Amino acid sequence: ETVLTQSPGTLSLSPGERATLSCRASQSVSSNFLAWYQQKVGQAPRLLIYDASTRATGIPDRFSGRVSGTDFTLIISRLEPEDFAVYYCYEYGNRPYTFGQGTKLEIK
Amino acid sequence: QITLKESGPTLVKPTQTLTLTCSFSGFSLTTTGVGVGWIRQPPGKALQWLALIYSSDNKWYTPSLKNRLTITKDASKNQVVLMMTNVDPSDTGTYFCAHSHLYPTDFFDHWGHGTHVTVSS
Repeated sequence: ETVLTQSPGTLSLSPGERATLSCRASQSVSSNFLAWYQQKVGQAPRLLIYDASTRATGIPDRFSGRVSGTDFTLIISRLEPEDFAVYYCYEYGNRPYTFGQGTKLEIK
Repeated sequence: QITLKESGPTLVKPTQTLTLTCSFSGFSLTTTGVGVGWIRQPPGKALQWLALIYSSDNKWYTPSLKNRLTITKDASKNQVVLMMTNVDPSDTGTYFCAHSHLYPTDFFDHWGHGTHVTVSS
């Protein structure tokens, strides 16, 4: 089972700033099958990125994903007020699939 | 348009069996490579992947709960059922079902709103 470690646990930034969220996998992720989700309080997760770097339908281009080996990164280029939420990475390359523990992005 | 909706009891007593149903529309579980999964989230905590069933009837479970979980499908009714035996208060949380994109890129792309379950005597 792959362990996904997200950092930081909490990220405090202001609207307009750039956010960089990290997700490190404990082993190689087959075909870079990693997704990012955004979750707001009381809501289901929303798919942002899949296959490490492909934006899901309707996701603004300020969201981007990168990969280097077992290190995955979600970048939000210029934070909008609606971007403050919890973000999870999710690995679907090695069964059983797993989620990271989440990064909370809060307003500074 | 794909939609999913979870249903089941809101309160379950410790040691009982929890049965949750995911009713869906907009896709068929007879289509090759399609799957439906269950994910849960304890209050204030992270998402936890529980189980996934494919149209082929292949099933996968998270190792830590494998002995307590059973996932089944009824493609004719457009439903997937998750059973969890011997529940305890640590099983309290919101349970989501989700549609998985076509295998092998089977990330979850559509989610239900979730159903909250409390385990308490």
